[in-house]
Amino acid sequence: QKEVEQDPGPLSVPEGAIVSLNCTYSNSAFQYFMWYRQYSRKGPELLMYTYSSGNKEDGRFTAQVDKSSKYISLFIRDSQPSDSATYLCALRRGSNYQLIWGAGTKLIIKP
Amino acid sequence: NAGVTQTPKFQVLKTGQSMTLQCAQDMNHNSMYWYRQDPGMGLRLIYYSASEGTTDKGEVPNGYNVSRLNKREFSLRLESAAPSQTSVYFCASSVTGEAFFGQGTRLTVV
Repeated sequence: QKEVEQDPGPLSVPEGAIVSLNCTYSNSAFQYFMWYRQYSRKGPELLMYTYSSGNKEDGRFTAQVDKSSKYISLFIRDSQPSDSATYLCALRRGSNYQLIWGAGTKLIIKP
Repeated sequence: NAGVTQTPKFQVLKTGQSMTLQCAQDMNHNSMYWYRQDPGMGLRLIYYSASEGTTDKGEVPNGYNVSRLNKREFSLRLESAAPSQTSVYFCASSVTGEAFFGQGTRLTVV
């Protein structure tokens, strides 16, 4: 069993919809949670970085962490065609700086 | 503001050839990483360097070597390329755990 599970998609939604992207994990030692966006033929770029359970908002993006359920989510409001990309979750344990990655979900926003 | 710079961007090698992928960061980060990304496999860690002078194996180190030349530079060497090493290679750096990536090197081994 992988430490981090993420549905590879693709997830196709109409422009303006609310998008929900999710990862589940098995190890309760993870303390830091990140979401990356990767456009085709580009490197991943950091979108959100959270520590502990709860919500963090940045513009149209909200990251949610539920440590009791070992479940993290990224919500995108008012989705735009420019949001079409692959979204990867990454988790980190305490002082160990190695990141454990989800496989990524391909998101397609239809105009 | 260059961030993480990788060279070359594209490379085609013949089986058995060697090459070095270069990576440099200008953010004064202590930690640097080399990943490979293959369709359906996500990002897999090849080697990392927690600080200048140290390197450690990641998930898929076989067939690769690394050198942390100084705080800025971390190179990845393929001594005898194999078709299984055809992939996109990413270098990344971090200071507090979140990684910042270069634009990648697309390597094809024929």
